Amino acid sequence: GQNIDQPTEMTATEGAIVQINCTYQTSGFNGLFWYQQHAGEAPTFLSYNVLDGLEEKGRFSSFLSRSKGYSYLLLKELQMKDSASYLCARGTLEYGNKLVFGAGTILRVKS
Amino acid sequence: GAGVSQSPSNKVTEKGKDVELRCDPISGHTALYWYRQSLGQGLEFLIYFQGNSAPDKSGLPSDRFSAERTGGSVSTLTIQRTQQEDSAVYLCASSPHIDTGELFFGEGSRLTVL
Repeated sequence: GQNIDQPTEMTATEGAIVQINCTYQTSGFNGLFWYQQHAGEAPTFLSYNVLDGLEEKGRFSSFLSRSKGYSYLLLKELQMKDSASYLCARGTLEYGNKLVFGAGTILRVKS
Repeated sequence: GAGVSQSPSNKVTEKGKDVELRCDPISGHTALYWYRQSLGQGLEFLIYFQGNSAPDKSGLPSDRFSAERTGGSVSTLTIQRTQQEDSAVYLCASSPHIDTGELFFGEGSRLTVL
């Protein structure tokens, strides 16, 4: 993706907590989004941060630091069904708030 | 339908042929986006529509690519004289309006150019 960096792969154990980091180019920033994509399926929206801090939604939380150009997605109480690719995306100030996506982090949850 | 519908789900074509990919967005969604996803790559923005207008065509890879939207609903992405590097999954997404980044994606059209 355009100046969006996230790890390529991660492995974690069922029931554990995992943090997926994302760094992005700060110029023209207009919100940070996380999407989940299971293999062969459509990406689905998980979370959105526009202000600094932590947004919690059930087992998933997302954090943003605008000054550092940094976000993370935190997944708690991991389940096997959480095995998927997690896409970090940056909103832009361009008309249409076009999303620029990172290459995604493949998360493998093992029992 | 309830979600974004794309067709065909799979298309295999020979190099040099033209292909058309169709997207039916969620009813009432005014914004429509086309992205491309190659193996191991992030989603690459191609074009978006607000109503029937495409204010930003900057992502189209070449002049072989074009897209249109009619009636503020169905969109067609056309690739002329396909090349092997066009092989990818073409994803369509819609949104109630352009100011939100919450996109609703279709399952995609997988294009393979032989």
